[in-house]
Amino acid sequence: AQTVTQSQPEMSVQEAETVTLSCTYDTSESDYYLFWYKQPPSRQMILVIRQEAYKQQNATENRFSVNFQKAAKSFSLKISDSQLGDAAMYFCAYRVSGTYKYIFGTGTRLKVLA
Amino acid sequence: DSGVTQTPKHLITATGQRVTLRCSPRSGDLSVYWYQQSLDQGLQFLIQYYNGEERAKGNILERFSAQQFPDLHSELNLSSLELGDSALYFCASSVDRSNTGELFFGEGSRLTVL
Repeated sequence: AQTVTQSQPEMSVQEAETVTLSCTYDTSESDYYLFWYKQPPSRQMILVIRQEAYKQQNATENRFSVNFQKAAKSFSLKISDSQLGDAAMYFCAYRVSGTYKYIFGTGTRLKVLA
Repeated sequence: DSGVTQTPKHLITATGQRVTLRCSPRSGDLSVYWYQQSLDQGLQFLIQYYNGEERAKGNILERFSAQQFPDLHSELNLSSLELGDSALYFCASSVDRSNTGELFFGEGSRLTVL
């Protein structure tokens, strides 16, 4: 079964510091996509970053980057220079190429301390 | 603003009742997805429509049904409501059924069943 696991229900980080959120997934597929979504208190789900499994290079979007370890089935999100606006629930998600179903983890609540 | 519109934003009803949640996808998006997010849970995939046709079905109860209309808006019908149906229901859209792009989420409809 395809599953996505986020083992950290809650994380805290000091403003301007760096934090890493963990995500592991289980799949037998070789071609898939991984995503990190952010859900602030407004409830809106916002895409943070995306990684194609066939790409070896880790994706980066400004202060957000991933550490994609395909063999280990790990997809962690690093947030650098954390800002108060980064406080939110972060969901890791997975989708097999050519399918329509996205599988989400249970989320990690990130608190940013001033 | 993702461009995906969901109504109503909040809904309180009683057990045994029936409700309809409505979603208008982003202009040009043909795919509509419905997700359920229970308290402190990840997103559970319910169903997906592409250009009016059902394309994928997840853990959707038989008491729930959905459809996508010719103008591409979608409705999720929840009947014989139970306390456990209380959740945040998200609609998301994407431009086509096989792209690698992101899902664009609405702000969700929060359903409370008393």
